[in-house]
Amino acid sequence: AQTVTQSQPEMSVQEAETVTLSCTYDTSESDYYLFWYKQPPSRQMILVIRQEAYKQQNATENRFSVNFQKAAKSFSLKISDSQLGDAAMYFCAYRRHTGNQFYFGTGTSLTVIP
Amino acid sequence: DADVTQTPRNRITKTGKRIMLECSQTKGHDRMYWYRQDPGLGLRLIYYSFDVKDINKGEISDGYSVSRQAQAKFSLSLESAIPNQTALYFCATSDMDTGGNEKLFFGSGTQLSVL
Repeated sequence: AQTVTQSQPEMSVQEAETVTLSCTYDTSESDYYLFWYKQPPSRQMILVIRQEAYKQQNATENRFSVNFQKAAKSFSLKISDSQLGDAAMYFCAYRRHTGNQFYFGTGTSLTVIP
Repeated sequence: DADVTQTPRNRITKTGKRIMLECSQTKGHDRMYWYRQDPGLGLRLIYYSFDVKDINKGEISDGYSVSRQAQAKFSLSLESAIPNQTALYFCATSDMDTGGNEKLFFGSGTQLSVL
């Protein structure tokens, strides 16, 4: 099975500041997809951002961007201008290009301090 | 209305009871999944189905069974619930395009407690 590691169980950030959440993964594949999902207290899982491994350009969605380092198998999420609504559990996920399963990390709980 | 609906939202049951968690979707997706979420363990795949006649075990299928009654419905059963099946259960759907792109769309989860 694939392994997705989130080494930061908890993080905190001051409102309006920037925070980076870490994710590493283990794979021998060259083509795959990486995702960040957000889970607020409502429990709903929401897709934040997605990256295709064959694309060298880092994905960006408004205040959310990733730093994708394919050789290092690293996929970190940067949240700029943090807002109170960003407080949530964040999960990193991996899917092989031809695979049937998504593999999730253990999550990072982000607190935003007013 | 939610695209992926799970019922019930919360359930408390006793050890040994049979329980069914239900999921329905209006997205028209062929692929459906059941995950469980445990604190510190993330989400783990229980079962998945790529069409009505296709059922596949995930990494933690022991103690669970599923039924794909229709394209839109995918239910998860615990034949004899045990306390370590206490968890948050998610149903998800996805649709893969010709380029292999796939996104998961989740329901709002069922919190199950087995006493």
